[in-house]
Amino acid sequence: QQQVKQSPQSLIVQKGGISIINCAYENTAFDYFPWYQQFPGKGPALLIAIRPDVSEKKEGRFTISFNKSAKQFSLHIMDSQPGDSATYFCAASSSARQLTFGSGTQLTVLP
Amino acid sequence: DGGITQSPKYLFRKEGQNVTLSCEQNLNHDAMYWYRQDPGQGLRLIYYSQIVNDFQKGDIAEGYSVSREKKESFPLTVTSAQKNPTAFYLCASSIAGTGGYGYTFGSGTRLTVV
Repeated sequence: QQQVKQSPQSLIVQKGGISIINCAYENTAFDYFPWYQQFPGKGPALLIAIRPDVSEKKEGRFTISFNKSAKQFSLHIMDSQPGDSATYFCAASSSARQLTFGSGTQLTVLP
Repeated sequence: DGGITQSPKYLFRKEGQNVTLSCEQNLNHDAMYWYRQDPGQGLRLIYYSQIVNDFQKGDIAEGYSVSREKKESFPLTVTSAQKNPTAFYLCASSIAGTGGYGYTFGSGTRLTVV
């Protein structure tokens, strides 16, 4: 019940395209859903996060869409750039519990 | 600047040897965590600590040990009992009791068995 399932494992997008990464969870107690971006040889850094009281959150080119009934959330990267090439992790947690991470998506944006 | 410092960045271990990875934070966070990252497997929790002098096993604690004698420090020892220790190790910290909010990661230590 603690799992967060992430797909796809890898994604190749042309510059200017839309990148979409999906995650699904089972634990209905989860109430915090962040996305992390990781460049090679570095630690993950918080990109954007959402709580289940809203269905969408947008920060610049990055948008989280959240579907509470389906227990799914996704990251959309608009106008994808080569500098966005990185590994993206979704995660989830409930109050006072540590984050549970998805398995990661390696995004490559072609110039 | 506040943050988490992991050292060393690269570490090589001989078979049968114990090694210790350092993690120090100056964010005044109560909670600290160790994760192991392998290609295609995401981040797996090794140990975590919510308060000084207390820590709990995560999902893959076998072959690892930790201590939490100071709020700022949470070293991880990879023992000889860990059969496949080659991986990228990440330390993180957060404000205790807030779930995943405010999670901050260090830059990692890459451990290789030679």
